[in-house]
Amino acid sequence: DAGITQSPRHKVTETGTPVTLRCHQTENHRYMYWYRQDPGHGLRLIHYSYGVKDTDKGEVSDGYSVSRSKTEDFLLTLESATSSQTSVYFCAIRGLDAYEQYFGPGTRLTVT
Amino acid sequence: AQTVTQSQPEMSVQEAETVTLSCTYDTSESDYYLFWYKQPPSRQMILVIRQEAYKQQNATENRFSVNFQKAAKSFSLKISDSQLGDAAMYFCAYRSVDSNSGYALNFGKGTSLLVTP
Repeated sequence: DAGITQSPRHKVTETGTPVTLRCHQTENHRYMYWYRQDPGHGLRLIHYSYGVKDTDKGEVSDGYSVSRSKTEDFLLTLESATSSQTSVYFCAIRGLDAYEQYFGPGTRLTVT
Repeated sequence: AQTVTQSQPEMSVQEAETVTLSCTYDTSESDYYLFWYKQPPSRQMILVIRQEAYKQQNATENRFSVNFQKAAKSFSLKISDSQLGDAAMYFCAYRSVDSNSGYALNFGKGTSLLVTP
């Protein structure tokens, strides 16, 4: 257990509304990641952070923004949710041994 | 960007038998890491095994072992003595040693493993 929590765990929202997902870690890791998982696509990187206020885009960043004002929290925001953003979202951290990534439990987001 | 291909969307194995899941990848890098993750119905991502590209020896973890063929860019997972609890989605993943990618994982699309009694 790498001390990663995600909130909310489930959310249903309407098209056009803003949504923020939160990832919280308790172990002071520098690198944090947001992935989305869709059937037939595996997991794809949305954004990652390599420190407070330091973030970069991943493969599928369009429509998403992130923020990291504290080491322990990494927020993913959908400014105006669309049905194509219905997915399961995973947060992950890079472990201290630098080899492994530890994943949170995931957030299932449905945009209607 | 590196691509990871899992050509078997679904596999089936009988309990106590052996099954091999395939993974190939494309890269121009000489050093990297490869991983197999298991995702049971609980949705939790669980690391099964990892392989460092600079190591010749294939990694093993109890009933799980890999066949790493660097020249062929192939990284298959063998599960021996399959158990009902092995039923899950399995993902192959690649990670660069280059910090420019943020050490993020590139995943294949997954293989769904069914274990029958």
